Order: sequence, then structure tokens, then C-alpha cells
Amino acid sequence: GEDVEQSLFLSVREGDSSVINCTYTDSSSTYLYWYKQEPGAGLQLLTYIFSNMDMKQDQRLTVLLNKKDKHLSLRIADTQTGDSAIYFCAEGLDSSYKLIFGSGTRLLVRP
Amino acid sequence: NAGVTQTPKFRILKIGQSMTLQCTQDMNHNYMYWYRQDPGMGLKLIYYSVGAGITDKGEVPNGYNVSRSTTEDFPLRLELAAPSQTSVYFCASSYTTGSGNTIYFGEGSWLTVV
Repeated sequence: GEDVEQSLFLSVREGDSSVINCTYTDSSSTYLYWYKQEPGAGLQLLTYIFSNMDMKQDQRLTVLLNKKDKHLSLRIADTQTGDSAIYFCAEGLDSSYKLIFGSGTRLLVRP
Repeated sequence: NAGVTQTPKFRILKIGQSMTLQCTQDMNHNYMYWYRQDPGMGLKLIYYSVGAGITDKGEVPNGYNVSRSTTEDFPLRLELAAPSQTSVYFCASSYTTGSGNTIYFGEGSWLTVV
């Protein structure tokens, strides 16, 4: 079946690194995504990784994929107060182009 | 560049009323989607469309209808509003590329059914 799970909440101090974790169940996922949602706004695509990759780095963001364990993580280096938001993990099923979303991890960055 | 535009942003409905959430995109995307987001939850797919004239059910289609007469527009219809339909609704669109299915979201429509 299709299921994506994330922890609900993460609190970090400004300047520290944040690591948000996600697990998924569908081994046929082609792409895995990280979206950011700020209060009262829609979802903004942060980054994505193709399922045959292990790692992708994009400025302060590092995505790690462990396909064997179906585990995805998003690391934000030098976390800023502007990074406070809800982060959604999603898996893309290539056959239908639909996305299956996790429940989101609320990141709180303390000054 | 407007992207994905949804209207209205906020709406309060009485039980049994009907309404249409409008969605339009100006990116010439062939795929369009409607999601709902309940408090503290992820997004659930209601309906999607892979092109004009083609629609298909997602995970939670009951109580909704859609149509796709043009590439740009993908309205979502609630015929008999129920309190369980109180949610935030997101319209989205995408195109298929070699780099994956990048989905662009609208800003959301907050709907309360009382």
C-alpha cells in the first residue's frame, strides 16, 4: 500500500542543523519530494530526489535516500528563523503522476 | 506570471448548500489536481486530470465533482456540503519532464461548513 510517515514536530536552535525524517512504503516510487508550507500559504517545492540517487545537495539543503530501508531525510544546515514552517515529504508514483503526502513535520526554530 | 490561482480564498457554507471552487493555471500544464488538507494532516488527493476532457478519482472523491473543459481550468464542485468537508483545499498543476513531476500549488481555499 501507499503510506508516508513523518514525525510531527522538531525544535532546533537558530544556527544548528535540522534533520527531518520520512519513511515510505511503496517501493515503486520514482521520485521523492520535500515541500515547505508557511502559515496560511500553499506548498512550495523545496527539492526532490530521483529514486536511483543516494544524496542530493542544494545550498543549505541535503537530501539523503536509503532505498533499502525506504527512508528519506532532509537536512537544513545553519537553520534560520525563516525556516520555521511545516515540511512535507511526498512520494511520486510514476505510473499515475500522483503524489502521496506525509502528515508534515512542524519545524520550530528558536532564536 | 500568475501560476495557479484559486478562488475564493475563504468561504463559509451552510450544511446542504453547494458551491464551486475555481482553479486556473497559466502554465499550459496538462495535469491538474485537487487536494484537501485537514488540520494536522497531509494532503489527500480528491480528483485529478491528465488533460482536457479527462478526469479521475483520487483517494477521497466522495461528495465532490470536477470537470476539465479547458487546459487552464479545473473547478471543484461540492453539491451538498457537509461538516466533514470543512478543510483547506489546494489546487495544483504539473507537467511531465525528465526531471520528475514538479507540482505547483495554489495558495489554498479555506472552507468551513456549519
